[in-house]
Amino acid sequence: DAKTTQPNSMESNEEEPVHLPCNHSTISGTDYIHWYRQLPSQGPEYVIHGLTSNVNNRMASLAIAEDRKSSTLILHRATLRDAAVYYCILRDWVAGNTPLVFGKGTRLSVIA
Amino acid sequence: GAVVSQHPSRVICKSGTSVKIECRSLDFQATTMFWYRQFPKQSLMLMATSNEGSKATYEQGVEKDKFLINHASLTLSTLTVTSAHPEDSSFYICSALRGTGLSYEQYFGPGTRLTVT
Repeated sequence: DAKTTQPNSMESNEEEPVHLPCNHSTISGTDYIHWYRQLPSQGPEYVIHGLTSNVNNRMASLAIAEDRKSSTLILHRATLRDAAVYYCILRDWVAGNTPLVFGKGTRLSVIA
Repeated sequence: GAVVSQHPSRVICKSGTSVKIECRSLDFQATTMFWYRQFPKQSLMLMATSNEGSKATYEQGVEKDKFLINHASLTLSTLTVTSAHPEDSSFYICSALRGTGLSYEQYFGPGTRLTVT
């Protein structure tokens, strides 16, 4: 899987929007962009994923650059429960049943 | 979303003993499960891929005789840490794969914290 680059940490005020960036300049045409997050002492949980178009769900939005070399996870109103490590992961859909490979992710702190 | 459980959630054992961790997919059948390990302040590291009815595939550097994996049914995989030592203390996370063909989703368990004294 292609490599992603994320800032080590970010900070946000509660109830403010948060934009978490991810660079993936070597992305291939069959790579999906996945975002997972890991709350303290828990397993990772799925947040969102996309291929080319921007995606929205109840948790977040995913904005994908036109050249697909970067993407941004958007939390519209951060809450204290959103404090977690956020992982941006590329996964080749052609690879089928291969495991997700985690990078270091971005540790998001939310300030009340 | 799909549910994956792990048992126990935390365990403390003495050095030299063995510990078994169970991973279950509660509402779907999983031909493939994965085991990860996570040390404090670090990311998840894949240890092995577990396929139902066949031998597990281990990542480089992971001792297969120390970390025994059994995937005897489509809903259960177990990881046994044999002759545990303090350096095996870690957060162990399993993950189950749901899907067929080219469409798969990966679901994670809540993790098991192992402390070896």
